[in-house]
Amino acid sequence: KQEVTQIPAALSVPEGENLVLNCSFTDSAIYNLQWFRQDPGKGLTSLLLIQSSQREQTSGRLNASLDKSSGRSTLYIAASQPGDSATYLCAVSRELGGQGNLIFGKGTKLSVKP
Amino acid sequence: NAGVTQTPKFRILKIGQSMTLQCAQDMNHNYMYWYRQDPGMGLKLIYYSVGAGITDKGEVPNGYNVSRSTTEDFPLRLELAAPSQTSVYFCASSRKNTEAFFGQGTRLTVV
Repeated sequence: KQEVTQIPAALSVPEGENLVLNCSFTDSAIYNLQWFRQDPGKGLTSLLLIQSSQREQTSGRLNASLDKSSGRSTLYIAASQPGDSATYLCAVSRELGGQGNLIFGKGTKLSVKP
Repeated sequence: NAGVTQTPKFRILKIGQSMTLQCAQDMNHNYMYWYRQDPGMGLKLIYYSVGAGITDKGEVPNGYNVSRSTTEDFPLRLELAAPSQTSVYFCASSRKNTEAFFGQGTRLTVV
C-alpha cells in the first residue's frame, strides 16, 4: 500500500531564508508527483507536477525534484516571503489502472516570519 | 475562470439527514474525484470517476454515493449523515496523468 510521508510537519523560518520540504513515498510505481499549497480554510492550489520520467520542475522561486527509485521528492523554496506561509502537500498518483488515485501526505505547515 | 465549483461552502446536518454536495468543472476533464480532509489525517479519496457513466470506490467510500451522468458534474450523496462524516470535502478534476485542480471545499458538520 502506497504511503506518503512529509517531514517536517511544521517549519518556521525568517523571511529571506531558502528552505527545503521533504516528501517520501513507499511504492516507486507512480505516474507523477504533485506539490500543492493550501491556505487556511481554502482549497488546494497546484504548484508543480513532476512526471515519473522527469527529475525536476521549476516555477519561479519553487523547484521540485523527484528521485523515483529512492521514493523521494523535495520542494525547494528560494528567498522565502511571509506570503509563502501555508501548508504544503505532496501527492503521488499510482501507476496501475490509470490516474484514479492521488495519495496525499499530511503536509508541512510553513510559517515565514517577517 | 470558474475551474472546479463546489456548493454549498458550509452546511450543518442533523444525524440521519441526507444531502448532496455538488461539484461542477468547466475544463472538460474526464477524471473527477471526491476527497475528505480531516485534521491531522491528510486527504482521503472517497470516490472517483474516469468519465461519464463510470465511477469507482476510493479508500473511504462507506456512507457515500456518487453519480456521473455528464462530464461536467460529479455530485456526492450522503444518505444517512453520521457524526463521523463531519469533515471538509474537496472535489477535484484532471485529465489523465496531468495536474489536478481542486474546488474550494465544503465544510460539513453533522450534529
